[in-house]
Amino acid sequence: AQSVTQLGSHVSVSEGALVLLRCNYSSSVPPYLFWYVQYPNQGLQLLLKYTTGATLVKGINGFEAEFKKSETSFHLTKPSAHMSDAAEYFCAVILYNTDKLIFGTGTRLQVFP
Amino acid sequence: NAGVMQNPRHLVRRRGQEARLRCSPMKGHSHVYWYRQLPEEGLKFMVYLQKENIIDESGMPKERFSAEFPKEGPSILRIQQVVRGDSAAYFCASSPAGGQLDTQYFGPGTRLTVL
Repeated sequence: AQSVTQLGSHVSVSEGALVLLRCNYSSSVPPYLFWYVQYPNQGLQLLLKYTTGATLVKGINGFEAEFKKSETSFHLTKPSAHMSDAAEYFCAVILYNTDKLIFGTGTRLQVFP
Repeated sequence: NAGVMQNPRHLVRRRGQEARLRCSPMKGHSHVYWYRQLPEEGLKFMVYLQKENIIDESGMPKERFSAEFPKEGPSILRIQQVVRGDSAAYFCASSPAGGQLDTQYFGPGTRLTVL
């Protein structure tokens, strides 16, 4: 079965430090890839997505992600964490010829002052 | 432009009762998706609907669950004879035209608690 794996259910960083959230997918055909953020008691907000073209994708709030086909990865990064980045982050894929998002289990990011 | 609206935000039901969850898509959106988030898990796809049509219900439990998206009014996710295992957050998303490249915009969710 196709799946999305997010390594680390909890990640803690200091304010100003690099944020790295990991995501790997299993699919014989590269899917479309997404990162969503969920703030407490809110719905999911799209951070960025990769469909085709440039493999380094820039999103909102200073986040970016790089699609690496050879590693089947789509890790999310931000050079400098801000307190407001504390939230849950979900990696998701849409497989070829479907419309449904398949989500990872999420990574909760904590940012310490 | 209002976002995706879901109501109620919190719903408490006793075992055996019915739960009705409503989703109003963004203006101009005719495609609706329902996802369920169990505690400590990611979201799982349930069903994809267009106006008056169910496109993909491969994620819906075979019994007690149904969904509709009528020509007028919100999309409804209906759970009959709820059980404790139905306790979860239910999220609705909408998109303007469907398709893989169309961004799905999510609502704030309905948190269902079954006593």
